[in-house]
Amino acid sequence: DAEITQSPRHKITETGRQVTLACHQTWNHNNMFWYRQDLGHGLRLIHYSYGVHDTNKGEVSDGYSVSRSNTEDLPLTLESAASSQTSVYFCASGPGPDEQFFGPGTRLTVL
Amino acid sequence: GNSVTQMEGPVTLSEEAFLTINCTYTATGYPSLFWYVQYPGEGLQLLLKATKADDKGSNKGFEATYRKETTSFHLEKGSVQVSDSAVYFCALSSNYGQNFVFGPGTRLSVLP
Repeated sequence: DAEITQSPRHKITETGRQVTLACHQTWNHNNMFWYRQDLGHGLRLIHYSYGVHDTNKGEVSDGYSVSRSNTEDLPLTLESAASSQTSVYFCASGPGPDEQFFGPGTRLTVL
Repeated sequence: GNSVTQMEGPVTLSEEAFLTINCTYTATGYPSLFWYVQYPGEGLQLLLKATKADDKGSNKGFEATYRKETTSFHLEKGSVQVSDSAVYFCALSSNYGQNFVFGPGTRLSVLP
């Protein structure tokens, strides 16, 4: 069955370290998204991609970067982790504007 | 810009009670509207959607009607079950994921 996976599921890191969160989907969707989920804010869009080599900034992109070298993967990199980036991160993919399929999430703690 | 407002809860109901979770939106153009559900420890799952005014989305006994005149998309279920305990998110999309906006979520707890 097609799916979307995220790794790691839990990560603890220190302030200033570089961290990369993986997202892999097997639906062959062109659209992929990264969100962060924080209490009281719902989900906020970090970055998104409409296809290979395409990346775009979302609402809360500062301190994050993505790259899309193939259809299946959209890794999210925190260049220098900060405590404010402690959150739950969700990756999603979709075939078009009206549907998104979410991964199980990565809980990141920055100490 | 686009935004979604929903009652934040938590909402606590007894099994078989009637559920309403209010959702209103602000958007330019003609957005599509969604309800997503998040069970503990999991990612979000699409519950139902409506893509134009007066459409009714339905799934698993849940319903929501796209009301353009009141800019609302309230979620309803006639008889909730313990297994419906989750967080429910209202969302809209107007231009691919660029304008995919989520509300803050409403936590529902259903007691036996």
